[in-house]
Amino acid sequence: KAGVTQTPRYLIKTRGQQVTLSCSPISGHRSVSWYQQTPGQGLQFLFEYFSETQRNKGNFPGRFSGRQFSNSRSEMNVSTLELGDSALYLCASSLEGPPDTIYFGEGSWLTVV
Amino acid sequence: GDSVTQMEGPVTLSEEAFLTINCTYTATGYPSLFWYVQYPGEGLQLLLKATKADDKGSNKGFEATYRKETTSFHLEKGSVQVSDSAVYFCALFSSGSARQLTFGSGTQLTVLP
Repeated sequence: KAGVTQTPRYLIKTRGQQVTLSCSPISGHRSVSWYQQTPGQGLQFLFEYFSETQRNKGNFPGRFSGRQFSNSRSEMNVSTLELGDSALYLCASSLEGPPDTIYFGEGSWLTVV
Repeated sequence: GDSVTQMEGPVTLSEEAFLTINCTYTATGYPSLFWYVQYPGEGLQLLLKATKADDKGSNKGFEATYRKETTSFHLEKGSVQVSDSAVYFCALFSSGSARQLTFGSGTQLTVLP
C-alpha cells in the first residue's frame, strides 16, 4: 500500500513568488492535514481537510491556503513568499481524521531566497 | 490548551545502551498519545501509539506506557543501535485539539558505535 506522497520534494523560490505543494494521501484516507516544520518553531499545524472541506485551520496568515479534491488529493498554496516561509512542509493523512492514526509523507523542502 | 513537554536534547549514547526519552503532557479529556521518529532528510514515521491509560505501545524494540496519573508517555529501548539515530517526537491528540496533533519539540538521538 503506497504511503503519503508529496511533490515536489525540494524547491527554491524567490521572495514575493507563490508556491503550490501537492499531496496524495494513502488510498482510502479521506482526511488530509498539513504541518510546517522549522528549527525555531518546530511542528505547527496549518490546516485539515475532509471531503473537500476545511475542518480546521492553524494560526497562520491568509497567505497560506489549501484545498482538497474529490479524490482526496490536496494542495497547499503560499502566496507572496517571505524568507521565514522556508521550511519543511509535511502532509499527513488518516481515514477520517483524528483520533485515527495520522501518517506523514516525506515532506516538501521549501527554500525562499 | 494542549501541550507536550519533551526531554531536552541532544542525547548521545553508545550502541547497546538503554534509552529513555521523557515526555509529559497537558491535555483536555483523555488524549491519544504517539511517538514519531524522523530520520535525516525524511518525514515523520509513526513509531508507536497508545489510546488509553495503561496502554503500552511497542514497535521495533521501543516501548512507551500511557501513564494517566503522571501524565507521561516516556519512550524506552533496552539496547539502541546506530540505526536508531534520529529525532523523536512525542505528540498527542485530544478532544480539545481541534483535529490536530500537538507535538513536543523533538529530541535528537545520536548513537555511537
